[in-house]
Amino acid sequence: EDQVTQSPEALRLQEGESSSLNCSYTVSGLRGLFWYRQDPGKGPEFLFTLYSAGEEKEKERLKATLTKKESFLHITAPKPEDSATYLCAVQDYGGSQGNLIFGKGTKLSVKP
Amino acid sequence: EAQVTQNPRYLITVTGKKLTVTCSQNMNHEYMSWYRQDPGLGLRQIYYSMNVEVTDKGDVPEGYKVSRKEKRNFPLILESPSPNQTSLYFCASSSIAGVYEQYFGPGTRLTVT
Repeated sequence: EDQVTQSPEALRLQEGESSSLNCSYTVSGLRGLFWYRQDPGKGPEFLFTLYSAGEEKEKERLKATLTKKESFLHITAPKPEDSATYLCAVQDYGGSQGNLIFGKGTKLSVKP
Repeated sequence: EAQVTQNPRYLITVTGKKLTVTCSQNMNHEYMSWYRQDPGLGLRQIYYSMNVEVTDKGDVPEGYKVSRKEKRNFPLILESPSPNQTSLYFCASSSIAGVYEQYFGPGTRLTVT
């Protein structure tokens, strides 16, 4: 059975304190791994797609990386506006094309 | 403005009273999907549609129905709601080419008493 586990559940950082969020996954064959950001009371917002081990994507202070078993979302010198819940999702080659499985998320708080 | 809209945004109803949550997108997307989000359980897929008249079950389809008669609309139907369907519901859409780069709606908070 597909499984997506995110850690930590919650992370508190000081402004400027870099860190990483983890997403480990178990699938029969990875079609793609996706990162989303969710602000309180809003729908998730797409950030990145990663398809193969070794791939990296960057956007402002965020950088996503992928290995065969996990993905990391690195946050460099975060700002308070980076506070949100970050969701990881995977799609399995063994599953239906439209089926997406989400992790429970990491709630990030960045204090000024 | 490109967007996914959901209505209503908030709904309180009673057990067994049929309800429909509407979802509409203005981006000509082929793919649409419904999710529910619960504390401690995360975001779980209910149903999805790859195109008009094509729908498929997600991970938690029990107690829900969907239809896709038009490309822009994908309503979620609860024929006989129960308290365990109290949740925050999100609709999402995307092009087939970027099927996982989904645009999400603002959410519908449903309470079933």
